[in-house]
Amino acid sequence: GQQLNQSPQSMFIQEGEDVSMNCTSSSIFNTWLWYKQDPGEGPVLLIALYKAGELTSNGRLTAQFGITRKDSFLNISASIPSDVGIYFCAGQPPYAYSGAGSYQLTFGKGTKLSVIP
Amino acid sequence: IAGITQAPTSQILAAGRRMTLRCTQDMRHNAMYWYRQDLGLGLRLIHYSNTAGTTGKGEVPDGYSVSRANTDDFPLTLASAVPSQTSVYFCASTLAPGNEQFFGPGTRLTVL
Repeated sequence: GQQLNQSPQSMFIQEGEDVSMNCTSSSIFNTWLWYKQDPGEGPVLLIALYKAGELTSNGRLTAQFGITRKDSFLNISASIPSDVGIYFCAGQPPYAYSGAGSYQLTFGKGTKLSVIP
Repeated sequence: IAGITQAPTSQILAAGRRMTLRCTQDMRHNAMYWYRQDLGLGLRLIHYSNTAGTTGKGEVPDGYSVSRANTDDFPLTLASAVPSQTSVYFCASTLAPGNEQFFGPGTRLTVL
């Protein structure tokens, strides 16, 4: 099946610093999604990317769909304490790879972000 | 308020007991999913439903069953709970398979 490598696993940064995390895959994806999960809550969608090379921003967040369709990165600029949480990437493989028409998402294992005030 | 609701929020259950986790969405999404989240393993798909009346197995379906009698509801049943099913369970939905998924708040289940 599809494998997603998300890095780093965890980060400790100073408030105001920029953050970068990425996901790589051994296979291509049609869609890349980035989620944030706060403690005790469900993942919340931050950014969705649908086309290779696409660069999308959402406030201080910027994400890109890699040209090879096998990677994506998420940048957070000028971090603030409420950025703390776990960030997940998720990829949607082409239909032929999904099996049984399920269009399953493959999730990375997450990047835990800690922001030091 | 539009979105996905899950019930209960948390539950402690004796091994061997039957348990149904409820999930309801009011966004008229066609596809729904159940995941479990465990430390170090991320989110793993248990079962899915692309549309009302159909269901399919995900990565870790053993010990779980689902039904999709209508568009809004997608209950997950543990017929005879075991301690390895201790986890946080998330329901998700999407307008159509392949679109971005939206998650519920989760159910924290402990099986003793």
